Amino acid sequence: NAGVTQTPKFRVLKTGQSMTLLCAQDMNHEYMYWYRQDPGMGLRLIHYSVGEGTTAKGEVPDGYNVSRLKKQNFLLGLESAAPSQTSVYFCASSFRRDSSYEQYFGPGTRLTVT
Amino acid sequence: GIQVEQSPPDLILQEGANSTLRCNFSDSVNNLQWFHQNPWGQLINLFYIPSGTKQNGRLSATTVATERYSLLYISSSQTTDSGVYFCAGDYKLSFGAGTTVTVRA
Repeated sequence: NAGVTQTPKFRVLKTGQSMTLLCAQDMNHEYMYWYRQDPGMGLRLIHYSVGEGTTAKGEVPDGYNVSRLKKQNFLLGLESAAPSQTSVYFCASSFRRDSSYEQYFGPGTRLTVT
Repeated sequence: GIQVEQSPPDLILQEGANSTLRCNFSDSVNNLQWFHQNPWGQLINLFYIPSGTKQNGRLSATTVATERYSLLYISSSQTTDSGVYFCAGDYKLSFGAGTTVTVRA
């Protein structure tokens, strides 16, 4: 099992450009999540999904959109990138079993917006 | 959302020393995890521990859910233990700011 994978690993964008980050998991997890991590801070939740075809906002959703067309994939889009979106983005997935939501994380995508 | 407070913010250890990291939650959580973020940025699952005590090698963790805190113990620390330790709770994982651990040889 590859676990949770993220594409790309690094990206540099100019202000106003758009891009999509791809997250894939092969653990058949129902739940998937996108977080961002800024220097010296913990992770903050952007959006999440509790199943195929569903999405919901997290703590910091502005400027991002997501889609979950297939159970194994969760896409994060930036429509018009801003320097404030420079960050490391982590994807995670979890099953739900008896109120347990143990999350497993991908390796991260380092995004720089100039 | 739930507020998560971690202490201490920084910890410098001599190799072989023991240490305790603490995590306090503003409300009860039924989903609590500890992670280690290594110097390459990778997040490694250490414990899923909503209550009770677990051990994995030199690491152990205890969560007292009724008092809204969790502790992570590192024994006989090694340089490979360096990095940032995060606790996080709730099913959407509210993260603390982390404890940066530096282990010196």
